Amino acid sequence: DVKVTQSSRYLVKRTGEKVFLECVQDMDHENMFWYRQDPGLGLRLIYFSYDVKMKEKGDIPEGYSVSREKKERFSLILESASTNQTSMYLCASSFGGMTLNSPLHFGNGTRLTVT
Amino acid sequence: AQKVTQAQTEISVVEKEDVTLDCVYETRDTTYYLFWYKQPPSGELVFLIRRNSFDEQNEISGRYSWNFQKSTSSFNFTITASQVVDSAVYFCALVNSGGGADGLTFGKGTHLIIQP
Repeated sequence: DVKVTQSSRYLVKRTGEKVFLECVQDMDHENMFWYRQDPGLGLRLIYFSYDVKMKEKGDIPEGYSVSREKKERFSLILESASTNQTSMYLCASSFGGMTLNSPLHFGNGTRLTVT
Repeated sequence: AQKVTQAQTEISVVEKEDVTLDCVYETRDTTYYLFWYKQPPSGELVFLIRRNSFDEQNEISGRYSWNFQKSTSSFNFTITASQVVDSAVYFCALVNSGGGADGLTFGKGTHLIIQP
């Protein structure tokens, strides 16, 4: 079974802090994704990576950056956390490079609270 | 631009009732893929099914069935004899053939509550 592991289940940070959310997958997937999930807004894509060191902006990249130095690891960085970034963050991975027609495998999420 | 609409924000039924979750999509592509995912209270989204645009056969898996109709741009999901364990948020998603971040779109989800 594919395993997507997010480093923290719950995280509380202060406004202005630099925050790192880590995600690791163990199935050699090319694609990795970061979503945020908010009530009433569904899943919104922050960033997508289809290969090591490659990234593509999603719908809401502002205030975020990402890093993919190794195939299995995809990090989401909040450069200066703000209260409007309080949310559930979901990492996912899939086969297939730029074509996205393979199912996504999700981690169980990181609930981030910024105070 | 493509779009996925799940008009039902929340559905509540009593256990053993049948329930259908609607998914309507818009795309200009002739080649595309449709997905359903389940997100139980634990939070982890789980893949349920994938359909490509050339395969309009309905699919049945146990109590779950899916009805894909290109004529109405719909990919509806029915749970027969619902159970409390079916309580979850269900997401429909569309992937077009172009790839890239623009090619993957989720609906906003339907929160299904099965009451004992």
